[in-house]
Amino acid sequence: GQQVMQIPQYQHVQEGEDFTTYCNSSTTLSNIQWYKQRPGGHPVFLIQLVKSGEVKKQKRLTFQFGEAKKNSSLHITATQTTDVGTYFCAGKGRTGANNLFFGTGTRLTVIP
Amino acid sequence: KAGVTQTPRYLIKTRGQQVTLSCSPISGHRSVSWYQQTPGQGLQFLFEYFSETQRNKGNFPGRFSGRQFSNSRSEMNVSTLELGDSALYLCASSLSREAGANVLTFGAGSRLTVL
Repeated sequence: GQQVMQIPQYQHVQEGEDFTTYCNSSTTLSNIQWYKQRPGGHPVFLIQLVKSGEVKKQKRLTFQFGEAKKNSSLHITATQTTDVGTYFCAGKGRTGANNLFFGTGTRLTVIP
Repeated sequence: KAGVTQTPRYLIKTRGQQVTLSCSPISGHRSVSWYQQTPGQGLQFLFEYFSETQRNKGNFPGRFSGRQFSNSRSEMNVSTLELGDSALYLCASSLSREAGANVLTFGAGSRLTVL
């Protein structure tokens, strides 16, 4: 079945350092979404990527969708304490079950 | 407009009991998905309903069931509870006529503890 893996599982950074999480799917995706879950909270939508090779930016966050539409990344420049939380990617397969499969998540800790 | 509402927020049950969780989606959203979140397994897809029909189902035993009403509100039920069912159960609604194609808006979740 479809699997979406994320690395790393945990990341501790000093405030001001950059952070990147990577998402890899076992199958080609029709789209990929990214969500952020603050500690004690629920996942909140950040962005959706649809096109092969697509790059989108939200202030300090840069999202990329791979050319083969099987991988994606989220890069945060100059992390702040407000970036703390778990970042999930979620992919929709092109064939078979058409629900969203969530990645395993990357928990980011920012040390002030 | 109001977000996704889940009730109850917290509940404690004992093994063998059953539980029903409720989810009211955003007004106008007809798709409701349920996820189980545990520290070790992340977000696991349970099922998705659209217009009162189960459109997709994850890999969970038959003890997990759900339904959707004509007003799009959804319930999920877990029978014969096991310790491993302790988790945060998240409901998410979407406009999506095509499953997985649109943004999910999550509720705050129902945290179930099984003793």
